[in-house]
Amino acid sequence: DGGITQSPKYLFRKEGQNVTLSCEQNLNHDAMYWYRQDPGQGLRLIYYSQIVNDFQKGDIAEGYSVSREKKESFPLTVTSAQKNPTAFYLCASSSKGGGRGTDTQYFGPGTRLTVL
Amino acid sequence: AQSVTQPDIHITVSEGASLELRCNYSYGATPYLFWYVQSPGQGLQLLLKYFSGDTLVQGIKGFEAEFKRSQSSFNLRKPSVHWSDAAEYFCAVGLNTGNQFYFGTGTSLTVIP
Repeated sequence: DGGITQSPKYLFRKEGQNVTLSCEQNLNHDAMYWYRQDPGQGLRLIYYSQIVNDFQKGDIAEGYSVSREKKESFPLTVTSAQKNPTAFYLCASSSKGGGRGTDTQYFGPGTRLTVL
Repeated sequence: AQSVTQPDIHITVSEGASLELRCNYSYGATPYLFWYVQSPGQGLQLLLKYFSGDTLVQGIKGFEAEFKRSQSSFNLRKPSVHWSDAAEYFCAVGLNTGNQFYFGTGTSLTVIP
């Protein structure tokens, strides 16, 4: 079964701790994305990667970091510098690396992060 | 400023009634248009997309959408709503210039028996 997996589904973090969210895809897609979703605000882009070993900041990258060492994996680290990290995080992928505006994005099931 | 607008934050319809969810955009270039659905606590599922050609697009689950260039709109429709259609619906617009892609803020659909 091809798709995108995110783990864990629920994550709790104490203030001041870094935490890493996992995203894996077996669709052989070149591009991967991380979004943050807050109630009433839709989806906001955190980071995206169009190809292995390369990534770009999105609209709200401050306090987050990513890596893209493998085509199928795009982990997101929420650092202690992120002032309000409690949110629902969605990972997505698309087949073409150079077509963020025109390529269909497919989404994982999400990770809900709560800071205690 | 460029934007995607979903004017209705929340809509309630009776099961079996027709549905239309509105989406407007403000971009000069020809957009690539998408509708996604999200059930509570889940990821987004693609309902349909428009890139070019016939402006009436058929999607999954009995949904369709019509691109109207003159109105800068891409409204989602379903002739008869089922209780399982209750969810959040997102319109998205992509442009082939500058790698731009934007989501609307979503419309929450409630279906009453």
